[in-house]
Amino acid sequence: TQLLEQSPQFLSIQEGENLTVYCNSSSVFSSLQWYRQEPGEGPVLLVTVVTGGEVKKLKRLTFQFGDARKDSSLHITAAQPGDTGLYLCAGADTNAGKSTFGDGTTLTVKP
Amino acid sequence: GAGVSQSPSNKVTEKGKDVELRCDPISGHTALYWYRQSLGQGLEFLIYFQGNSAPDKSGLPSDRFSAERTGGSVSTLTIQRTQQEDSAVYLCASSQRQRNEKLFFGSGTQLSVL
Repeated sequence: TQLLEQSPQFLSIQEGENLTVYCNSSSVFSSLQWYRQEPGEGPVLLVTVVTGGEVKKLKRLTFQFGDARKDSSLHITAAQPGDTGLYLCAGADTNAGKSTFGDGTTLTVKP
Repeated sequence: GAGVSQSPSNKVTEKGKDVELRCDPISGHTALYWYRQSLGQGLEFLIYFQGNSAPDKSGLPSDRFSAERTGGSVSTLTIQRTQQEDSAVYLCASSQRQRNEKLFFGSGTQLSVL
């Protein structure tokens, strides 16, 4: 069974601070996704990383895929209250046809 | 449709009753997934459809859970003889063919078993 561990589970910071969320696994994935979920809604895809060592930027968010394609990180610069939500990483295994999700990091950004 | 649609959005039922949850995927998406989510937690995989067939049913918690998909489109998740531990948000997602790296989710069905 492929497992994804996310840390920290909860994070509460002040507006303007930086933060990093981690997603780790002992398994290799063909790609890894980061989703953001707000209360009462389904997760929304932020980014997909495919190549080991890949770095992608989405405005103030920076995503990195580990060289061995087993882990990933999400770094947010100058967090804003609008960044508040549940951040989920998911590992895709195209052979298995399904994605495995981590337990998520609940981020609260206080104004 | 424009997005994945799930109904009902909320369902309250009594222990022992059967419930049906519906998912309308994005038009043209051949892959459909059901996940379950407890409050503030990650997603627990239940079942995956490619077209009308289910290559992976490994996540169904018990034989009280079943799902079907007809016409390569709408899917129904049925829970028989509901138990309190079945209470959760049931999320449906669809994707193009086997591009499971990009899932589009519905808003989910909040199931509460009293």
